[in-house]
Amino acid sequence: GDSVTQMEGPVTLSEEAFLTINCTYTATGYPSLFWYVQYPGEGLQLLLKATKADDKGSNKGFEATYRKETTSFHLEKGSVQVSDSAVYFCALSDSGANSKLTFGKGITLSVRP
Amino acid sequence: GAVVSQHPSWVICKSGTSVKIECRSLDFQATTMFWYRQFPKQSLMLMATSNEGSKATYEQGVEKDKFLINHASLTLSTLTVTSAHPEDSSFYICSAPNPLADQETQYFGPGTRLLVL
Repeated sequence: GDSVTQMEGPVTLSEEAFLTINCTYTATGYPSLFWYVQYPGEGLQLLLKATKADDKGSNKGFEATYRKETTSFHLEKGSVQVSDSAVYFCALSDSGANSKLTFGKGITLSVRP
Repeated sequence: GAVVSQHPSWVICKSGTSVKIECRSLDFQATTMFWYRQFPKQSLMLMATSNEGSKATYEQGVEKDKFLINHASLTLSTLTVTSAHPEDSSFYICSAPNPLADQETQYFGPGTRLLVL
């Protein structure tokens, strides 16, 4: 079955540091890949997505590239801010519209001033 | 953006009682909603897919008589945990895609924390 593996956390960084959060996946078809973010006290919200190999999703300074050859979708940001402190979930959707998501465990990011 | 609400945000109940959790899409209609369960430091696990006007589709290992789902309207799905026990204590989250927008993107409620004593 489908699965998503995220690096272990939590991660603590100083403001303006470079961020990488690793995510790899296993899927039988050609999934769409997502990063969702959950800020304290709020529901999960979409950060970025990519629907096919070599696509790059980007939003709020975050980027992730769909790498089919390594089955990866690593999240990066060049300079994190305190406001980026949140829980980040990698996920995949294998069947198109209205289809269910398979999530990784999530990783907590804390950014120090 | 699309908004999904959940009510209540947290609930404490005695073992053996039933608890109903509501999930509402506030500014769009959702023919499909999803219910997830999240344990501490673990991933969101899909429990069931709620379909407006028809029976819910449950994931393997989820007891449908234990977790009753009703999707009575295009903006409301309810999850009822029947005869709750301490092992049902968890964080329950719902989501829905917006059919008028990117249907691959789901909009999540803020979650409901259930504690069964």
